Formats: sequence, C-alpha cells, structure tokens
Amino acid sequence: EVQLVESGGGLVQPGGSLRLSCAASGFTFSGYEMDWVRQAPGKGPEWIAYMRSGGSTIYYADSVKGRFTISRDDAKNSLYLQMNSLRAEDTAVYYCTREGYGGNSDAFDLWGQGTLVTVSS
Amino acid sequence: QSVLTQPPSVSAAPGQKVTISCSGSSSNIGNNFVSWYQHLPGTAPKLLIYNNNERPSGIPDRFSGSKSGTSATLGITGLQTGDEASYYCGTWDSSLTTYFFGPGTTVTVL
Repeated sequence: EVQLVESGGGLVQPGGSLRLSCAASGFTFSGYEMDWVRQAPGKGPEWIAYMRSGGSTIYYADSVKGRFTISRDDAKNSLYLQMNSLRAEDTAVYYCTREGYGGNSDAFDLWGQGTLVTVSS
Repeated sequence: QSVLTQPPSVSAAPGQKVTISCSGSSSNIGNNFVSWYQHLPGTAPKLLIYNNNERPSGIPDRFSGSKSGTSATLGITGLQTGDEASYYCGTWDSSLTTYFFGPGTTVTVL
C-alpha cells in the first residue's frame, strides 16, 4: 500500500525540541521530492519545509527557518523534521507529504495521517 | 500571512455549481502551477487539482481547475452535501522561495 506514516509528535515545553519521522512505503521514496506541512487548530495548512530527491535542495518557511531542519534517509525510506526552540505557535498537526508529479508541479498528492505537536508549559 | 487571496465562503443548492477564485501575483500564480485541496475536519487535505487543471486519478470530473494570468479558479458542478468542506489553493512563490496555501474557502451546500 502506498502510504506515509508520521510519528514523534507529543507535548513539549516552550524552548524544547522534538524530532518527527515519516516512514514511506509502497513507492520508490528516493525518487520523490518531499515536504512537511502543518495545520494549527482551526487554521488552514501551512507549508514549512521542502527537500528535493537526493537532498540537494532544501527550502524553509520563514516561520521555521533557523529552528527546524528537514532531512531524509533514502535507505530507510524515511523523512525527518528536527524541531528546536519550539514556540506555542508551533502547535499543530504536522503532515509529511509527497510531491507526486515531479517537475514544477509542487502538488502534494500523498499525505500521512499527521502527528500532533503541542507546545505548552 | 498568505500571498494568495480566496473568498471566505461560497454556497449553492445541491446540484448547482460553485466557483472559487484564487488571486495572486506574477511571482506565484503567474509563473507557477496551481493546486487545489479539499479539507474535511479531522482528516488530511486531499489533492483535487494539480498543474492548474489536471485531476488525480479518482477525483470526479465534477471538479475542474483553470488559470488565467495571476488568478486561478476551482469549479465544482453537481454540488453534493459531501462537498461541504474547506478548499485551499496552493502554489510556489519564486521570489519568496516559499509554497503558499490560500486562506481557504468554505463551501456550504444549502
């Protein structure tokens, strides 16, 4: 089955760190551009990070630049998001997404179920 | 804060048609592909349209997309109660090197 499964969310205090993982299966993970998208309670989705296949190109949203790091391990079919210096406004469901159409499509065709990150004291 | 604008809400009776606009600029919609997503509470957003007007397999042809200049439009025909959801446009902004989702439009079936 083609799927993405996130893990690693939870409750963390402001200033703390978390590492999210995304396990991909059912497709050739190494060939796809991957992104993290988050959705705060009652809000729309917010793109936060992108990594090209092979890892040669990375982009971040300004809201997380310098605090979050996206990475991938193609041998383990996994995508990661290291989140440091967490703030209350980082509270959201975090989704791992695949850009399934290549080129400049920038379309997220596959989403995980999401993992909830709550930043609170 | 998104660089894209969408109407907050649209509504129509069952069987009717709605259109949702998404307006941007030359650095985003004007020079990049637009996607559209449907979001139901408690679920992950779902891709409806990619590359301005292409439908992923499994998406009914009641959903259509178009783009002209710096604006894009999602159309939904034969409106059903199951279409009640929030709809978001999305595109890359080449100047800001950031992907933006629009603020979202809530569709209500009267």
